[in-house]
Amino acid sequence: GDSVTQMEGPVTLSEEAFLTINCTYTATGYPSLFWYVQYPGEGLQLLLKATKADDKGSNKGFEATYRKETTSFHLEKGSVQVSDSAVYFCASFGGTSYGKLTFGQGTILTVHP
Amino acid sequence: GAVVSQHPSRVICKSGTSVKIECRSLDFQATTMFWYRQFPKKSLMLMATSNEGSKATYEQGVEKDKFLINHASLTLSTLTVTSAHPEDSSFYICSAQGDPYEQYFGPGTRLTVT
Repeated sequence: GDSVTQMEGPVTLSEEAFLTINCTYTATGYPSLFWYVQYPGEGLQLLLKATKADDKGSNKGFEATYRKETTSFHLEKGSVQVSDSAVYFCASFGGTSYGKLTFGQGTILTVHP
Repeated sequence: GAVVSQHPSRVICKSGTSVKIECRSLDFQATTMFWYRQFPKKSLMLMATSNEGSKATYEQGVEKDKFLINHASLTLSTLTVTSAHPEDSSFYICSAQGDPYEQYFGPGTRLTVT
């Protein structure tokens, strides 16, 4: 079946540091890929998405590019802020898990002033 | 647009009682809604897919008689945890499927069973 693997956390950074959270997927076909963010005590919010190879999703300074050749969708931000502290989930939709989102395990990000 | 609400946001109940959680799509109609469970510092576990007007589809290992799901309208799905026990304490999150096939998540419900 489909699966999504994220880099192990937690990740701790200083404000204005560069962020990368790795995400790779396995799926049959061409799934859509997503990054969700969860702030403490809240549900998930869609951060960005890409629906086909080479698409770049971007939002709030975050970016991720759908790389079919490496089956990856790494999340990046050039300069993180304290307010970016949250849990980040990579997810795929489609493939063999039709109609369902497949989530990675989540990566906890803490940004210090 | 695409707002999903959950009620209640927090609930504490005694062991052996039942508790109902509502999930509403406020500004769109959702034929399909999903119920997830999230353990502390863990990812989301899909419990079931709720389809309006038909029976829910449960994931393997989820007891359908314990977690009753009703999707009576295009904007409301409910999850009832029956005869709750402390091990059912968790964070329950719903999502509603929009167009095209994007899921919009509710804010979650923290259930504590004492």
